[in-house]
Amino acid sequence: DVKVTQSSRYLVKRTGEKVFLECVQDMDHENMFWYRQDPGLGLRLIYFSYDVKMKEKGDIPEGYSVSREKKERFSLILESASTNQTSMYLCASSSLTRDFSSYEQYFGPGTRLTVT
Amino acid sequence: SQQGEEDPQALSIQEGENATMNCSYKTSINNLQWYRQNSGRGLVHLILIRSNEREKHSGRLRVTLDTSKKSSSLLITASRAADTASYFCAPSGGYNKLIFGAGTRLAVHP
Repeated sequence: DVKVTQSSRYLVKRTGEKVFLECVQDMDHENMFWYRQDPGLGLRLIYFSYDVKMKEKGDIPEGYSVSREKKERFSLILESASTNQTSMYLCASSSLTRDFSSYEQYFGPGTRLTVT
Repeated sequence: SQQGEEDPQALSIQEGENATMNCSYKTSINNLQWYRQNSGRGLVHLILIRSNEREKHSGRLRVTLDTSKKSSSLLITASRAADTASYFCAPSGGYNKLIFGAGTRLAVHP
């Protein structure tokens, strides 16, 4: 079974702190993603990476950065946390479907971050 | 990238009833995927239907796709309390990025 793990289920940080959210997948997937999920807004893509050291901005990259030094690990960094970054953060990795027509995503359990 | 819009936003039914959720999208697709999210957890892939398919079954799930109307539906038959979750559609052009909408929140009452 594919496993995507995230470093914390719950995290409380203070405004201005630097925050690291870690994600690890064990299936040698090329692609990894970071989303945030807020009530009524669905999942919004922050950043994604399709290879080691490669990254692309998603729809809401402001206030975030990412790091992918190893294939299995994708980190989301909040350089200076703010209260409007309080949210559920979901990491995912993806692989080609069996018929090679698309990519299927596998999600971690999520990190609920509260910034006070 | 494509984004699906799920409808209704929320659905409340009794155990044993069928639940139908709809998804509309705007551009051409290679396939469409449905995901489920239990409260406070990550999303789980349920089923994929290719653009040349009209209907697909998996257990109690039935998915239809109408590419002329750019819409899909997910039917859960004989719902159980354990089906309570949010359901998301993800239309895909075959690229490695999926865009998720706000989902349909399904509540199944015992």
